[in-house]
Amino acid sequence: DIQMTQAPSSLSASVGDRVTITCRASQTISNYLYWYQEKRGKAPNLLIYAASRLQSGVPSRFSGSGSGTEFTLTISSLQPEDSATYYCQQSYSTPPYTFGQGTKLEIK
Amino acid sequence: QVQLQESGPGLVKPSQTLSLTCTVSGGSISSGEFFWSWIRQPPGKGLEWIGHIHYRGSTYYNPSLKSRVTISVDTSKNQFSLSLSSVTAADTAVYYCARWRDYGGYNWFDPWGQGTLVTISS
Repeated sequence: DIQMTQAPSSLSASVGDRVTITCRASQTISNYLYWYQEKRGKAPNLLIYAASRLQSGVPSRFSGSGSGTEFTLTISSLQPEDSATYYCQQSYSTPPYTFGQGTKLEIK
Repeated sequence: QVQLQESGPGLVKPSQTLSLTCTVSGGSISSGEFFWSWIRQPPGKGLEWIGHIHYRGSTYYNPSLKSRVTISVDTSKNQFSLSLSSVTAADTAVYYCARWRDYGGYNWFDPWGQGTLVTISS
């Protein structure tokens, strides 16, 4: 199975900060990489697909980049409602589809 | 807007079978472009894809769980279900249902249900 490793596992930042979360794959996955946001008590929500494409309705302060084994999710100007846990997921080749362990983002 | 909602017992005894149902609203489970998935998250751990099913009955399971998992679909009720046999404490998790789509070879889960906690304990 392809292992997905996120860093950091948690972070705290202030409103207006630029925040970056990293996801690393154990082998190349091209750009078959997705990012989800999970707010407390809510269903996970797709933010980014194909590594860099913004899902419809997602604020433009969210962006994704990367290819191969290294990927990043960036929030350009952190807002209070961005407090959540963020997960990456890969879909390269055959199942199983695997996820990162999550990054918990807290607003100071 | 499609919504998914999990339902089922919150407590299951060890060695028994865990059974959950996901009800799809706002759209038809018979939409051919989608598969319908189960994903779980044990406490303090990451997300694990369990498997998914097409309305026509094709199924794909995570090899790590394949021997114990059955996913089925009931198009008349717009529901799909998960059955996990011989459960142990390691199967304690929040269980999510989600819609899986293939978009030009890219595959993701959207939307998801809110999740339901299932605890394995005597």
